[in-house]
Amino acid sequence: DQQVKQNSPSLSVQEGRISILNCDYTNSMFDYFLWYKKYPAEGPTFLISISSIKDKNEDGRFTVFLNKSAKHLSLHIVPSQPGDSAVYFCAASAVRSSASKIIFGSGTRLSIRP
Amino acid sequence: DAGVIQSPRHEVTEMGQEVTLRCKPISGHDYLFWYRQTMMRGLELLIYFNNNVPIDDSGMPEDRFSAKMPNASFSTLKIQPSEPRDSAVYFCASSPGRDGTQETQYFGPGTRLLVL
Repeated sequence: DQQVKQNSPSLSVQEGRISILNCDYTNSMFDYFLWYKKYPAEGPTFLISISSIKDKNEDGRFTVFLNKSAKHLSLHIVPSQPGDSAVYFCAASAVRSSASKIIFGSGTRLSIRP
Repeated sequence: DAGVIQSPRHEVTEMGQEVTLRCKPISGHDYLFWYRQTMMRGLELLIYFNNNVPIDDSGMPEDRFSAKMPNASFSTLKIQPSEPRDSAVYFCASSPGRDGTQETQYFGPGTRLLVL
């Protein structure tokens, strides 16, 4: 049972346009959400996060939106750059629970074309 | 800080052999996680430790897998005997723990395991 789902395994976007990566979750206990970025032959690196008390968090070109009622979050990258080509993992955790455990989605491979 | 260190970076072994993966977390981090990444299942949590104590090993696939953390600066993930379906990239990550708002984990570069 996948608690965090990324239904698009891949996405291709033209350089300079907006990239939108989507993520759905099923566990209503999740209250903290993260995006990680992974380049080939490297480990994932933290990109941006959002707490359930917010519906938007922005960091430079990256913005994460959270829709709790729909159990959906998205990552917007604008403008998209060639260096953004990577695999993006959505992740969620229940911070208020006793366990510090993050559940990852299966990832979306983003390709930025010139 | 050098970040999370994993060794070896690549491992090729034959079915039935014992495989040991090693991890050195970031100094001062209280949590250590072992993940496995495959094309089919994405990034799966295998086990995690808090202050060297295993907290949740529900993701460990079988008894062939075992993990230890003898001290705060070292952990191992062992597969004995290994099987071809264990072929994957294994990541170790560490986290400073909960400060009330963040659950950021810092990943190592991974060990790419191929079991023939």
